[in-house]
Amino acid sequence: AQRVTQPEKLLSVFKGAPVELKCNYSYSGSPELFWYVQYSRQRLQLLLRHISRESIKGFTADLNKGETSFHLKKPFAQEEDSAMYYCALFSGSARQLTFGSGTQLTVLP
Amino acid sequence: GAGVSQSPSNKVTEKGKDVELRCDPISGHTALYWYRQSLGQGLEFLIYFQGNSAPDKSGLPSDRFSAERTGGSVSTLTIQRTQQEDSAVYLCASSKQGINEKLFFGSGTQLSVL
Repeated sequence: AQRVTQPEKLLSVFKGAPVELKCNYSYSGSPELFWYVQYSRQRLQLLLRHISRESIKGFTADLNKGETSFHLKKPFAQEEDSAMYYCALFSGSARQLTFGSGTQLTVLP
Repeated sequence: GAGVSQSPSNKVTEKGKDVELRCDPISGHTALYWYRQSLGQGLEFLIYFQGNSAPDKSGLPSDRFSAERTGGSVSTLTIQRTQQEDSAVYLCASSKQGINEKLFFGSGTQLSVL
């Protein structure tokens, strides 16, 4: 069965500091991974997906199959990045999108 | 439409009562999902509808939970004989084709079982 682990429930960094939100997965097939974000009083929305190899709002995430990780990174955090971040894994066989428990990021002024 | 619409936004009910939660997906989206968001638990998959295919009900936690999707559009999630542990935010999402496409989420229904 697939599993997504986000080890940090809470993460605080100062504005301008680098930030890394950790995500590890367990899946026997070829994974498709995503990061979703929920800003205060807004809907959950897609931030980025690994197949697109894109950078959104300065965030990037690299799939490391050896370490089964998909950590989300940004070199210089901004206060508006404060939000709840969810890592998600798509299982082709089960056709399910499995979410991690989320990390609440707070960027301090 | 503006996006995925869910109603009601808040529902308070007594233990043992039945509740119905509604989801209107984005027009033209063939896939629809229900998730449950509990504090500290992340998002728990409940059920997935794709077009006219049989729904994937593998995430429903008990037989008190059921869902249907009429006409390939509106979906209703029904919880019978509610329990306090059913209290959570129930999220609906839709996408154009399948689950590996971008999901658009509704704002959720906050269910409180007293």
